[in-house]
Amino acid sequence: AQSVAQPEDQVNVAEGNPLTVKCTYSVSGNPYLFWYVQYPNRGLQFLLKYITGDNLVKGSYGFEAEFNKSQTSFHLKKPSALVSDSALYFCAVRDIQGGKLIFGQGTELSVKP
Amino acid sequence: KAGVTQTPRYLIKTRGQQVTLSCSPISGHRSVSWYQQTPGQGLQFLFEYFSETQRNKGNFPGRFSGRQFSNSRSEMNVSTLELGDSALYLCASSQSSGGADTDTQYFGPGTRLTVL
Repeated sequence: AQSVAQPEDQVNVAEGNPLTVKCTYSVSGNPYLFWYVQYPNRGLQFLLKYITGDNLVKGSYGFEAEFNKSQTSFHLKKPSALVSDSALYFCAVRDIQGGKLIFGQGTELSVKP
Repeated sequence: KAGVTQTPRYLIKTRGQQVTLSCSPISGHRSVSWYQQTPGQGLQFLFEYFSETQRNKGNFPGRFSGRQFSNSRSEMNVSTLELGDSALYLCASSQSSGGADTDTQYFGPGTRLTVL
């Protein structure tokens, strides 16, 4: 069965510092991986996805993610965090048996000034 | 293009009632999926519709149902509401549907359902 795990419930970063939100996956076959962000009382906003090709994927708002097949990881990164990046981040994998998204439990990112 | 819209944004119902939620996908998108988000269970897949046909269904009781219209708009219905149905219900649309689909799902703002 396909699954993703986000090992950290919360990540705290100082503004201006680099941030990393971790995600590991377990899939049979090629992984189709996604990152979404959710602000309070809002839906999920798409950040980026990995389908194939370059292991470094660039997305919206300066975010990028590094796909690592040997470590089965797809960590979200940003070189310089902003207070406005504070939100809930979800990693997801596309289920090849039906196309639904399977989400991790989410990581609360808090960026302090 | 306008994004995914969901109505209503907030609903308060009592146990035993039924509720209908509506979702309008992005123009040109033919696939609509529904997810339930709760603090305890996280994001869980309810069902997916494509061209008015239910393509996939998650592990939810039969009280949860949905449909899709010819214009791709979708509704989901929950009958005989229980306290545990209180959640944020999210709708997502994508251009196509399929097993190895690489299309992105774009989400609406959600409908917050509270069951008293």
